[in-house]
Amino acid sequence: DVKVTQSSRYLVKRTGEKVFLECVQDMDHENMFWYRQDPGLGLRLIYFSYDVKMKEKGDIPEGYSVSREKKERFSLILESASTNQTSMYLCASNTNGGTGNQPQHFGDGTRLSIL
Amino acid sequence: RKEVEQDPGPFNVPEGATVAFNCTYSNSASQSFFWYRQDCRKEPKLLMSVYSSGNEDGRFTAQLNRASQYISLLIRDSKLSDSATYLCVGPREYGNKLVFGAGTILRVKS
Repeated sequence: DVKVTQSSRYLVKRTGEKVFLECVQDMDHENMFWYRQDPGLGLRLIYFSYDVKMKEKGDIPEGYSVSREKKERFSLILESASTNQTSMYLCASNTNGGTGNQPQHFGDGTRLSIL
Repeated sequence: RKEVEQDPGPFNVPEGATVAFNCTYSNSASQSFFWYRQDCRKEPKLLMSVYSSGNEDGRFTAQLNRASQYISLLIRDSKLSDSATYLCVGPREYGNKLVFGAGTILRVKS
């Protein structure tokens, strides 16, 4: 089974802090993704990475950055946390194999509260 | 038009009922579709892939209708444990990423 592990289930930070969310996958997947999920808005893609040191902006990258120094690890960084970044953050990964897109596998999620 | 669109529901059904959800998509060249299940305050989990020929897994059947550009999920003999949000997933209009629908809420009641 694919295992995607996020470093924290719950996190509380203060406005202006730099926040790091970590994600590790154990299936040698090429692609990794960061989403946020808010009530009524569904899953929104923040950033994704298709290879080590490669990254692309998703739909809502403002206020975020990412880092992928190793294939198995994808970090999301909130440069200066703001209250509107309070959300559920989900990391996912998938592989390029097969025909068409492959399903994404998710971590447990991190509920981040910015006070 | 949204790339993937679902009726948010909620669908309230009694135990044992058959319920079906549809999901429309805009990318006519799409090949890869999936249904995910998400329980309250949990991560989405892959329920099933949707193949051109359809896909059946126990009480769950997924179908693809290319002519009308929608996919469907049919749940037979609903159980209380089927209560969840069901997310439809398809390829983006451009590029090779997936886009998630906002989800359909199912509530199965005794």
